[in-house]
Amino acid sequence: GAVVSQHPSWVICKSGTSVKIECRSLDFQATTMFWYRQFPKQSLMLMATSNEGSKATYEQGVEKDKFLINHASLTLSTLTVTSAHPEDSSFYICSARDTLLSGNTIYFGEGSWLTVV
Amino acid sequence: SQKIEQNSEALNIQEGKTATLTCNYTNYSPAYLQWYRQDPGRGPVFLLLIRENEKEKRKERLKVTFDTTLKQSLFHITASQPADSATYLCALGGGSQGNLIFGKGTKLSVKP
Repeated sequence: GAVVSQHPSWVICKSGTSVKIECRSLDFQATTMFWYRQFPKQSLMLMATSNEGSKATYEQGVEKDKFLINHASLTLSTLTVTSAHPEDSSFYICSARDTLLSGNTIYFGEGSWLTVV
Repeated sequence: SQKIEQNSEALNIQEGKTATLTCNYTNYSPAYLQWYRQDPGRGPVFLLLIRENEKEKRKERLKVTFDTTLKQSLFHITASQPADSATYLCALGGGSQGNLIFGKGTKLSVKP
């Protein structure tokens, strides 16, 4: 079945540095990818919708200059957390929609744990 | 604003019984509703999708109902097993780009 791969699975970074998370669709093309953040015991909160070849659409309250999203190809979207702070520590999950399939099945990655120290 | 609630944060049942999870929503008319399973520290895994014009959907031991009048979906797992223990997420769909709105989830524990 369709697979979405996230890398890294977990990362620890120092406060003030930037960290990049990759989201790849391994066996399908994804014009649209979604980035979510999930805090413990909370729901997945949509951060932004990433569209290949164009600017991402950010949800209200999400700083686009802090969470940089690049969707440079049909199989790769990246999320860069810039000037990370401890409150950015969270579980970041991406999902991708198969461009060629009709319907509304969305495939999720395994998530990336970010810890900012 | 859109709101989605899953009836309880946690549900404990005995193996073999039927687990019933509830998802209620307000201020939204989703074109479809999805249920996902999420294990600790993992991404969600798609289980079932039900559209607004469908009343019920089944897949093996899983059954989902969708009542657009009540704005409610019920998710049933029959003959539950300890391996069914996980957090189950309800998600509303229908945005122009396919984005989903998630509930907080219900943590199901099936005791042997």
